[in-house]
Amino acid sequence: KAGVTQTPRYLIKTRGQQVTLSCSPISGHRSVSWYQQTPGQGLQFLFEYFSETQRNKGNFPGRFSGRQFSNSRSEMNVSTLELGDSALYLCASRQGPDYGYTFGSGTRLTVV
Amino acid sequence: KNEVEQSPQNLTAQEGEFITINCSYSVGISALHWLQQHPGGGIVSLFMLSSGKKKHGRLIATINIQEKHSSLHITASHPRDSAVYICAVPLSGAGSYQLTFGKGTKLSVIP
Repeated sequence: KAGVTQTPRYLIKTRGQQVTLSCSPISGHRSVSWYQQTPGQGLQFLFEYFSETQRNKGNFPGRFSGRQFSNSRSEMNVSTLELGDSALYLCASRQGPDYGYTFGSGTRLTVV
Repeated sequence: KNEVEQSPQNLTAQEGEFITINCSYSVGISALHWLQQHPGGGIVSLFMLSSGKKKHGRLIATINIQEKHSSLHITASHPRDSAVYICAVPLSGAGSYQLTFGKGTKLSVIP
């Protein structure tokens, strides 16, 4: 059974640019959530999608957005990148609220 | 005040020692998650528990809902257990869950 796949694994962008990250969940998992991990703030919740609907969003500016497609794949977008957006971005999928999470390997974004 | 507190922050143990990592939280929850993160970033979900105790191999997780406290134990620790262990609780609302994470406990097991 394939795991959660995140692409790309590494990304270098310039301040002011925008970036799109992709997450393919485990087959059958309809819930996808996104997290940002930095050395200073640790792991922080970004948003969660279920059946193409955003169910919850963390305390991040509107530059951070996402969506989920009908096949449950999800993308997150960050516009007008800032140096502080440099982080490891992780996504996780699960079958539903009574199940544990399966995490992807993450996308390491560096903003220069 | 962080809603999820972990202790200790760092832990060094000799191979074979019994390890305990603690997690306290301040909100009512439906379940608590223990995660393991190895260098390189990959996160593995170890346990999701809402009451009592769960065991998987040398790992044991317990939770006391009334005291808002959970512990992760590792018996007969091994160098491959070296990782960061993170507890997380969901802030529930509107039918979905927003995980809030502890700062993590960095465990180093020395041969």
